[in-house]
Amino acid sequence: ETGVTQSPTHLIKTRGQQVTLRCSSQSGHNTVSWYQQALGQGPQFIFQYYREEENGRGNFPPRFSGLQFPNYSSELNVNALELDDSALYLCASSIGQGNEKLFFGSGTQLSVL
Amino acid sequence: ILNVEQSPQSLHVQEGDSTNFTCSFPSSNFYALHWYRWETAKSPEALFVMTLNGDEKKKGRISATLNTKEGYSYLYIKGSQPEDSATYLCAFLTGTASKLTFGTGTRLQVTL
Repeated sequence: ETGVTQSPTHLIKTRGQQVTLRCSSQSGHNTVSWYQQALGQGPQFIFQYYREEENGRGNFPPRFSGLQFPNYSSELNVNALELDDSALYLCASSIGQGNEKLFFGSGTQLSVL
Repeated sequence: ILNVEQSPQSLHVQEGDSTNFTCSFPSSNFYALHWYRWETAKSPEALFVMTLNGDEKKKGRISATLNTKEGYSYLYIKGSQPEDSATYLCAFLTGTASKLTFGTGTRLQVTL
């Protein structure tokens, strides 16, 4: 086990709604990254947080936002859900913001109807 | 746009067979190459992080090589076992970005 937990495991929402996904990182891991994996694709980088500050962002619109808390937990918020947001969302923590390996959670499967 | 390509997309081998997969990535501005194994219903698990041209890493029956000048990495599995069945992902890190760019993975199935 990686020590990274995500909740919920599955979620169903309707178009236009808002959703919050949660992640609890390993103690001591200052960096958390969020990825979206759509069917048939590799994980796509959404953003990264380091010590509670956004530290890099992929090609995702502003309606994707995040927070990182001092207790090694983090959130991914998505507003105005669209059908294409249906995907597996993974969070991954690491010790620093450089080259260290990532420790992944098992993901939240989001379905937007 | 960075492109990381993996081949083959899927592979079906018999127990005991040895196999290998390829990960291709841009050769410019290289910083690191990661390999992850992702079993169904589990979390992706890090296998290797490789940073130097010519790097070779080994973990049990699994090994990997890295060629940063030509932009590829090979992952080898010797004597495949059913428990090796998983999707193997590679991911590329540039020197100017904090994000890993993942390939779409190679799905390996090992049967008895």
